[in-house]
Amino acid sequence: EPEVTQTPSHQVTQMGQEVILRCVPISNHLYFYWYRQILGQKVEFLVSFYNNEISEKSEIFDDQFSVERPDGSNFTLKIRSTKLEDSAMYFCASRKATNSPLHFGNGTRLTVT
Amino acid sequence: AQSVTQLGSHVSVSEGALVLLRCNYSSSVPPYLFWYVQYPNQGLQLLLKYTSAATLVKGINGFEAEFKKSETSFHLTKPSAHMSDAAEYFCAVILPSGNTPLVFGKGTRLSVIA
Repeated sequence: EPEVTQTPSHQVTQMGQEVILRCVPISNHLYFYWYRQILGQKVEFLVSFYNNEISEKSEIFDDQFSVERPDGSNFTLKIRSTKLEDSAMYFCASRKATNSPLHFGNGTRLTVT
Repeated sequence: AQSVTQLGSHVSVSEGALVLLRCNYSSSVPPYLFWYVQYPNQGLQLLLKYTSAATLVKGINGFEAEFKKSETSFHLTKPSAHMSDAAEYFCAVILPSGNTPLVFGKGTRLSVIA
């Protein structure tokens, strides 16, 4: 069964550095998402993306965050200047249509020191 | 805006006992509902989904959930718990049309005691 794949599985970075989290959604999916989960807390929506533009974003998704689909397969989340509170598990998800379930990747654990 | 409430952040059952994880939703229109499971250090795996067809939905690993509109509930059950069921379970809601985000509950950690 096709999967959403995320790389790297774990990223450690220093405060103030830029990070790019990478995702390869399922190939025939059209809707893409980023979620995050701070350790021990709920899974929170960050941003949705469709037709090469952001559809919706949460208040967490401030100017430090950006998303891009640079080619036909990758979907990236960039954090421009990381803060300690950005430490979390970041999940990428995709779905085929608006009436189908989201499929999640295994996540990237981001640790900001 | 839609939301879900999961009652009980931690549920502990004996192996072989009934598993019941509670989820209540709030939505302006009849939503789609999902249960996801997260095993330690892993991603989110779809357990089952309700998308306005049958109200009793069967999922993987023997789990099922029943959509009850009158109670705005979508509780997850399994007749007999197995040690391998120990994980975090998330209920999630989404509107059936448009590209609205999936909204998660806070999760319920299930422990299974031998």
